[in-house]
Amino acid sequence: EAQVTQNPRYLITVTGKKLTVTCSQNMNHEYMSWYRQDPGLGLRQIYYSMNVEVTDKGDVPEGYKVSRKEKRNFPLILESPSPNQTSLYFCATSRQGVFYEQYFGPGTRLTVT
Amino acid sequence: SQQGEEDPQALSIQEGENATMNCSYKTSINNLQWYRQNSGRGLVHLILIRSNEREKHSGRLRVTLDTSKKSSSLLITASRAADTASYFCATGGAAGNKLTFGGGTRVLVKP
Repeated sequence: EAQVTQNPRYLITVTGKKLTVTCSQNMNHEYMSWYRQDPGLGLRQIYYSMNVEVTDKGDVPEGYKVSRKEKRNFPLILESPSPNQTSLYFCATSRQGVFYEQYFGPGTRLTVT
Repeated sequence: SQQGEEDPQALSIQEGENATMNCSYKTSINNLQWYRQNSGRGLVHLILIRSNEREKHSGRLRVTLDTSKKSSSLLITASRAADTASYFCATGGAAGNKLTFGGGTRVLVKP
């Protein structure tokens, strides 16, 4: 079954404590990306990756890091989380960039206190 | 500001009625995509329409694209309670490999 998985699904943490949200896909997709969704602001792209070792900034990359060492995984790293990073995060994958449909993960709800 | 902006922001209809929502965007695009999101869940792809296409159908969904007006519409015919969700348009290809989403339309279908 085609799947995009994210872990954890829910996380409450404190300011400054480094955390990683994992994203994994089993569809052999080249393109992976991270979004955050906030009320009134819709979905905004944080980072995306065209392939292994190829990553690029989206519209709101500040405060986030990513890496793409394997095709199936695309972790999102918050080195020093702050309360303004409290949000609902989605990972998405696609066969090839934004020219094809995106498959979304179930989301990770992050609260930073 | 967002590349895609939906109108209306919210829509309430009776089961069986049609629901129409619009999306406007600012720059040239390669394609426009529509997604559905049930409360707090991941987005589900509905339709992708390319810039050289004018209309596309999928089941009860009909999407139109007018590149001269930089706008698209999504029509859901014979709506059902299960269509209650938020609907988002997203534009791709305008700026490299970034996909830009609009703010969404919240649709409530009353039984």
